[in-house]
Amino acid sequence: DIVMTQSPSSLAVSAGETVTINCKSSQSLLYSGNQKNYLAWYQQKPGQSPKLLIYWASTRQSGVPDRFIGSGSGTDFTLTISSVQAEDLAIYYCQQYYDTPYTFGAGTKLELK
Amino acid sequence: QVQLKESGPGLVQPSQTLSLTCTVSGFSLMDYSVHWVRQPPGKGLEWMGRMKYDGDTYYNSALKSRLSISRDTSKSQVFLKMNSLQTEDTAIYYCTRESYGSYRFFDYWGQGVMVTVSS
Repeated sequence: DIVMTQSPSSLAVSAGETVTINCKSSQSLLYSGNQKNYLAWYQQKPGQSPKLLIYWASTRQSGVPDRFIGSGSGTDFTLTISSVQAEDLAIYYCQQYYDTPYTFGAGTKLELK
Repeated sequence: QVQLKESGPGLVQPSQTLSLTCTVSGFSLMDYSVHWVRQPPGKGLEWMGRMKYDGDTYYNSALKSRLSISRDTSKSQVFLKMNSLQTEDTAIYYCTRESYGSYRFFDYWGQGVMVTVSS
């Protein structure tokens, strides 16, 4: 199975700050056939189901604010949230869809300082 | 609009079988695949299995011996059955829609159904 390792596990931020969440996969998620990275990011607010933010490592889902930026390739990926707002407080998960079983990181909890 | 809604018993006894239904609207099960994902309380997400748009099924090998996914396209429903439940199967169970193009990221999620395994 592909292991997804996220860091940090939690992050305390002030509104307006820029934050970076890291996700590392145990094997490359870059498919040579199409040069795409099979990596998605989700946001889960308390009591809610996860919401898709980013796919193909850097493509924002429709309606997602442009302060959410996905980057990286191969085995190392980053979700950057610029100018964090109170509504962004949530747990963020990365997910690989390169191979079954599709696996998720353990999550990064974004909290207010 | 696209919607998925899980339903099923909130409490299951150990060693019994869990049966859940995912009722979808706004899209056809013959055009999109549906997956099941679960989340133990306070923990992360675990992919369980997939009902492909063509009726094929795929399972997480860790659960394969206990898990069965089926569907009724006429009712727009996908079913999950898992036997030999243990306390560690206590979780919120979500059904999710796979993105168009058969790439296995999930663009819509149901609200989830909490299942507690306890005597």
